[in-house]
Amino acid sequence: DTAVSQTPKYLVTQMGNDKSIKCEQNLGHDTMYWYKQDSKKFLKIMFSYNNKELIINETVPNRFSPKSPDKAHLNLHINSLELGDSAVYFCASSQEGSGAFYEQYFGPGTRLTVT
Amino acid sequence: AQSVTQLDSQVPVFEEAPVELRCNYSSSVSVYLFWYVQYPNQGLQLLLKYLSGSTLVKGINGFEAEFNKSQTSFHLRKPSVHISDTAEYFCAVSENTGNQFYFGTGTSLTVIP
Repeated sequence: DTAVSQTPKYLVTQMGNDKSIKCEQNLGHDTMYWYKQDSKKFLKIMFSYNNKELIINETVPNRFSPKSPDKAHLNLHINSLELGDSAVYFCASSQEGSGAFYEQYFGPGTRLTVT
Repeated sequence: AQSVTQLDSQVPVFEEAPVELRCNYSSSVSVYLFWYVQYPNQGLQLLLKYLSGSTLVKGINGFEAEFNKSQTSFHLRKPSVHISDTAEYFCAVSENTGNQFYFGTGTSLTVIP
């Protein structure tokens, strides 16, 4: 069973479009994250959700919005896509508190290309 | 906020040679330390972690890392690398309060046959 899954794996779209990336984890974790990895492999945290509450927002443009229908899902919506949004987006999850000590489990990534 | 420095962006090494990937972090507060590996076109996979106890931590695929509190370092080592170790390696730090991770900029390890 895949622990953290993302769909789609590849996403090619034009500037100005709106798109969504879905993430699901079956680990029972209570915190989920979205990261952006640019072409130089730099990882930047975008959001995290803990028990359906946004707890980190790292100055990401408001065109990006995370939506969590339940604690196993954290979807990423992007409006009015721009060329600079092209990157690989990773979803991750972790369990806060005793036990895992915030170790994060990553999904396989979604490669977004904006043309 | 923490900053995590990986001093080498690219490390080429011959097969079966030893390798060390360096990682330094900024804060002196109590931290948890991690190394992740990212193989081409894949997500990040945990190699090893330091939470407490012995400062020498062993991970998967023959890797180990040593926590040095006085030097705020957590360098990754392998005594003999294989072609399959070619990947991007990320050092990460979290403080024992809150659940924010801080990632380094990554080190690209290339193993040369």
